[in-house]
Amino acid sequence: EAGVTQSPRYAVLQEGQAVSFWCDPISGHDTLYWYQQPRDQGPQLLVYFRDEAVIDNSQLPSDRFSAVRPKGTNSTLKIQSAKQGDTATYLCASNANTGQLYFGEGSKLTVL
Amino acid sequence: GDSVTQTEGPVTVSESESLIINCTYSATSIAYPNLFWYVRYPGEGLQLLLKVITAGQKGSSRGFEATYNKETTSFHLQKASVQESDSAVYYCALGDLNMGYKLTFGTGTSLLVDP
Repeated sequence: EAGVTQSPRYAVLQEGQAVSFWCDPISGHDTLYWYQQPRDQGPQLLVYFRDEAVIDNSQLPSDRFSAVRPKGTNSTLKIQSAKQGDTATYLCASNANTGQLYFGEGSKLTVL
Repeated sequence: GDSVTQTEGPVTVSESESLIINCTYSATSIAYPNLFWYVRYPGEGLQLLLKVITAGQKGSSRGFEATYNKETTSFHLQKASVQESDSAVYYCALGDLNMGYKLTFGTGTSLLVDP
């Protein structure tokens, strides 16, 4: 069984640039999560979906961050006008409602 | 809001010694939180180590154990004899099935086991 796949693995931007992260969850997992993990901190939830619907995006900085999962499978997290404070690893996870989240290896973002 | 506090790292332990990583939680939005330990081995993604759904129960995996103590709001991770391969970062987390298992994580504890 293939795991959660994320791309790109690394991104380096100047402030003000945009970036998109892509996530392919485990087949059949209806719930998908995006977490932000700054260096030396734990993962912090940004948004999660059940199928194509956003269930909770209360922690997503809506002015610059957006996330979609249009067909209830793959998902894209986009950051517009990145800031240095966005430097972090962005983790995608999926869950088949078993209580076990399966995480990808993450996309490490550095904003200079 | 909900929060998790765990032992600050890095923690260094000699091989075959015992280990305890402390974890305490505060669940203000969840009546019956589920508790988890996740682990990130070097070069790998975050993965579930063990989980306990019900207060008073113990979970175990790969020689690690953790007991869900509702009275002390704790979920400490223990192992009687660590191995070099246990070197990793360990995260305590809480979540709830009724809230889609959106997990609240602690800051992580880096463990280094000296051979």
